[in-house]
Amino acid sequence: NAGVTQTPKFRVLKTGQSMTLLCAQDMNHEYMYWYRQDPGMGLRLIHYSVGEGTTAKGEVPDGYNVSRLKKQNFLLGLESAAPSQTSVYFCASSSAPVETQYFGPGTRLLVL
Amino acid sequence: TQLLEQSPQFLSIQEGENLTVYCNSSSVFSSLQWYRQEPGEGPVLLVTVVTGGEVKKLKRLTFQFGDARKDSSLHITAAQPGDTGLYLCAGGSYIPTFGRGTSLIVHP
Repeated sequence: NAGVTQTPKFRVLKTGQSMTLLCAQDMNHEYMYWYRQDPGMGLRLIHYSVGEGTTAKGEVPDGYNVSRLKKQNFLLGLESAAPSQTSVYFCASSSAPVETQYFGPGTRLLVL
Repeated sequence: TQLLEQSPQFLSIQEGENLTVYCNSSSVFSSLQWYRQEPGEGPVLLVTVVTGGEVKKLKRLTFQFGDARKDSSLHITAAQPGDTGLYLCAGGSYIPTFGRGTSLIVHP
């Protein structure tokens, strides 16, 4: 039982490049979330999903897209990376919206 | 969006001291969660409080939910270096909102 895993752990991009962050959970959770964490800003919700095939916008969705083709996976895409997207990205999952969120170890992204 | 204000933002104390951190909002929450995040890791749930006035204890940590369910506090007794981390509160009626956190450093 690995919980929530994220790949990659660290990535450096040049401005304008694209990439996809992968989140996988093995707890059969319906809800999955993508957050970004910046110094002094706490966790800000980018997008979330309430089940396979569904996605919804969070607080800071601009510049990101997501897909939930399989229940266990939630992908976060950056089509054209910008320096403002330099951050630590966390994925989380939960069985219900107000239940415990289980977080992955994070992906550290640097956009030059 | 329901906003959660956490205070203080930073706290640096010596081992053995007591401390309290706060999480406040103008909105009523159906439940409120406290998470701790250690450097380089994702947050981990400490406790969920649901009932107004509720008090929960987790070893040296005491969590209280305000009577009106708009605020919460976390009190740590005799802090230890292992308590060092970022303490986040989260609440909401549907998808939870996170506060900005209190960064705690406990010096040996």
